[in-house]
Amino acid sequence: NAGVTQTPKFQVLKTGQSMTLQCAQDMNHNSMYWYRQDPGMGLRLIYYSASEGTTDKGEVPNGYNVSRLNKREFSLRLESAAPSQTSVYFCASSAGTQGNEQFFGPGTRLTVL
Amino acid sequence: AQRVTQPEKLLSVFKGAPVELKCNYSYSGSPELFWYVQYSRQRLQLLLRHISRESIKGFTADLNKGETSFHLKKPFAQEEDSAMYYCALSGGNQGGKLIFGQGTELSVKP
Repeated sequence: NAGVTQTPKFQVLKTGQSMTLQCAQDMNHNSMYWYRQDPGMGLRLIYYSASEGTTDKGEVPNGYNVSRLNKREFSLRLESAAPSQTSVYFCASSAGTQGNEQFFGPGTRLTVL
Repeated sequence: AQRVTQPEKLLSVFKGAPVELKCNYSYSGSPELFWYVQYSRQRLQLLLRHISRESIKGFTADLNKGETSFHLKKPFAQEEDSAMYYCALSGGNQGGKLIFGQGTELSVKP
């Protein structure tokens, strides 16, 4: 089992460009999450999907959109990238109830110039 | 509001010394608390959770509801413990989402 996979691993964008970060899990988990990791800020939840067909905003959703394509896949889209979105992005999944362990992907390091 | 606070950005100790990484939380209900760890060039992974009351890699953490704390402790630090540690809270909300603290970087010197 690959667990949680993310593509790409690295990306450099110019301000105003768009891109989609892909995430997939093979653990049959109900819930999936997108976080951003910034120095001194910890991990902040951008969006999450409690189950297939549902998505909800997290702590920092502005400038992002998500799609829960099916149970396995959860993508994050930046429509018009800004330098403030330079960060490391992590996707995670879990069975979806309180107390369940979240399993993380390897991360995508995004730089917006 | 739900909040997790880790007051130390960086904690530096010598090998063999005791270590305590502090975590305080704010939550009105009955939270579940976790410690996640990220070793260099590895993905974030669960270290331990309070409901398990277990010791992982020599680390323990006790939930103190009176002080709303969940400090991570190890009596004798090892160099391989050097990593970024995150305290996280799950508040019974939909989808099992977590609230993370700011993280503490632990550096264990030889």
